[in-house]
Amino acid sequence: DGGITQSPKYLFRKEGQNVTLSCEQNLNHDAMYWYRQDPGQGLRLIYYSQIVNDFQKGDIAEGYSVSREKKESFPLTVTSAQKNPTAFYLCASSMGLALSYEQYFGPGTRLTVT
Amino acid sequence: AQSVTQLDSHVSVSEGTPVLLRCNYSSSYSPSLFWYVQHPNKGLQLLLKYTSAATLVKGINGFEAEFKKSETSFHLTKPSAHMSDAAEYFCVVRSSGTYKYIFGTGTRLKVLA
Repeated sequence: DGGITQSPKYLFRKEGQNVTLSCEQNLNHDAMYWYRQDPGQGLRLIYYSQIVNDFQKGDIAEGYSVSREKKESFPLTVTSAQKNPTAFYLCASSMGLALSYEQYFGPGTRLTVT
Repeated sequence: AQSVTQLDSHVSVSEGTPVLLRCNYSSSYSPSLFWYVQHPNKGLQLLLKYTSAATLVKGINGFEAEFKKSETSFHLTKPSAHMSDAAEYFCVVRSSGTYKYIFGTGTRLKVLA
């Protein structure tokens, strides 16, 4: 079964700790994305990657970091510099640059920082 | 510059009545447009997409949308709402030459018994 997996589903951390969210896809997609979702604000783009070993900042990259060492994997680290990290985080992928390509989404990770 | 406006943040309908979720977009070039559905604490699922072929697009679960270039709209409709349609819906635009997808702020659909 092809798809995107995110783990864990729920994550709790203390303020000041870095935390890494996992995202894996077996769709053989070139592009991968991380979004943050807050109530009433839709999805906001954190980072995206077009190919392995390359990634670009999205609209709200401050306080986050990513890596893309393998095509299948795009982990997101929420650092202690992120002022308000509690949110629902969604990972997505798409085949590539062609206009018709839609995104496929993982089930999300809900991060709570106290 | 691209943008998407979902005109209603909340819509309530009775079960068995039609659904209309409105979306207007702005794009410098011919865009692709998508509608996604999200149930609580879940990821997003694609309902349908427009990619410059037929302007009336049929999707899953009985949903359809019509691309109207003159009105820059891509409204989502369904003839008869079901309780399971209660969810949040997102309209998304993408222009050629970019990897970025622009999301609307979402419309929460409530279906009343």
